[in-house]
Amino acid sequence: KQEVTQIPAALSVPEGENLVLNCSFTDSAIYNLQWFRQDPGKGLTSLLLIQSSQREQTSGRLNASLDKSSGRSTLYIAASQPGDSATYLCAVAGGSNYKLTFGKGTLLTVNP
Amino acid sequence: DAGVIQSPRHEVTEMGQEVTLRCKPISGHDYLFWYRQTMMRGLELLIYFNNNVPIDDSGMPEDRFSAKMPNASFSTLKIQPSEPRDSAVYFCASRRGDTQYFGPGTRLTVL
Repeated sequence: KQEVTQIPAALSVPEGENLVLNCSFTDSAIYNLQWFRQDPGKGLTSLLLIQSSQREQTSGRLNASLDKSSGRSTLYIAASQPGDSATYLCAVAGGSNYKLTFGKGTLLTVNP
Repeated sequence: DAGVIQSPRHEVTEMGQEVTLRCKPISGHDYLFWYRQTMMRGLELLIYFNNNVPIDDSGMPEDRFSAKMPNASFSTLKIQPSEPRDSAVYFCASRRGDTQYFGPGTRLTVL
């Protein structure tokens, strides 16, 4: 059974700092890995999707990497801003591709 | 596009009552998913549909839970009878391709 772990559970940083969020998964037979953002009281918004054959994806100040063999992914946020404060969830799609297994998320607070 | 629409946004009910959660997926999306989110267990997939047909309901916790998708633009998740441990945020998501689009969720409180 796939298990996804995110470390740290919470992170507080000053504005402008670069930061890294970590995600690990137990079964490397994945189809893709996705990073989502969740704001309080809201649904999830997809940030980046990395196919299993890819090593990284970039969108603006966000860069996600994937090392499938070691079961790890990182989300790098450059020059953090208070608006980046949210919970970030990692999810892996395995087997049929349609079932996502989520980590419990990292609660990020960026202080002005 | 309005995105995935869920109703109600908040539901408070008493133990033993029937609860029905509703979802309207994004037009043209052929997959629909129901998730439950709690502090203890995180986000869990309950059931998903492809072209209105239930494909995998292995995440549905008990027979008290049922889901239907009578057409491409509407799905329901029903809990009967509800119990306090069903209190959670229930999300509906739809997809076409690889990316899932989530609704705002329904916060269910069972007293």
